[in-house]
Amino acid sequence: GESVGLHLPTLSVQEGDNSIINCAYSNSASDYFIWYKQESGKGPQFIIDIRSNMDKRQGQRVTVLLSKTVKHLSLQIAATQPGDSAVYFCAEINGGSQGNLIFGKGTKLSVKP
Amino acid sequence: ETGVTQSPTHLIKTRGQQVTLRCSSQSGHNTVSWYQQALGQGPQFIFQYYREEENGRGNFPPRFSGLQFPNYSSELNVNALELDDSALYLCASSLISGGADTQYFGPGTRLTVL
Repeated sequence: GESVGLHLPTLSVQEGDNSIINCAYSNSASDYFIWYKQESGKGPQFIIDIRSNMDKRQGQRVTVLLSKTVKHLSLQIAATQPGDSAVYFCAEINGGSQGNLIFGKGTKLSVKP
Repeated sequence: ETGVTQSPTHLIKTRGQQVTLRCSSQSGHNTVSWYQQALGQGPQFIFQYYREEENGRGNFPPRFSGLQFPNYSSELNVNALELDDSALYLCASSLISGGADTQYFGPGTRLTVL
């Protein structure tokens, strides 16, 4: 069935290092993926998205990689800063569905000064 | 900030009561989706409204209902509240319904059922 899962529930990195957050999905029909950042007490904030016809997309300090052969998604954050500390969710949309997002449980990123 | 607003911020109700939560979508967006987020979990899809009609529903009972108004704002109503309804309720707005379009979230309403 449809599912989005994350490999690690928590990730701790040193300020200035690069962070990599991973995500696995099981629905090969999913054609759109979004990474969200959620800070405590706030709603999810859009970070970056990628469609299934791409394998890489870059934003400001963030890169999303998509590997459809192994159904894997990753978010790379360059030069991680204390303000990056939050829970990160990947979400997928199944092509042909009504467009609802399917979220995983999330990865908590902690940045050590 | 996304431009999506929700009210109230926090709400405390007792079991069996009814609650109405409100959401104003981002300017230009015609679709609103509602999600329930339990503590420590990812958001779960409740339903989506497009042009004032329900356009899809997740695995939630009928006591969860909604409305969308001509200005695209939306309400989520929950009847006969249960303790397990305690959660953060999020609405998200988008431009395209039934397709792959970015959904922008509001800050959420924290509902506590006692």
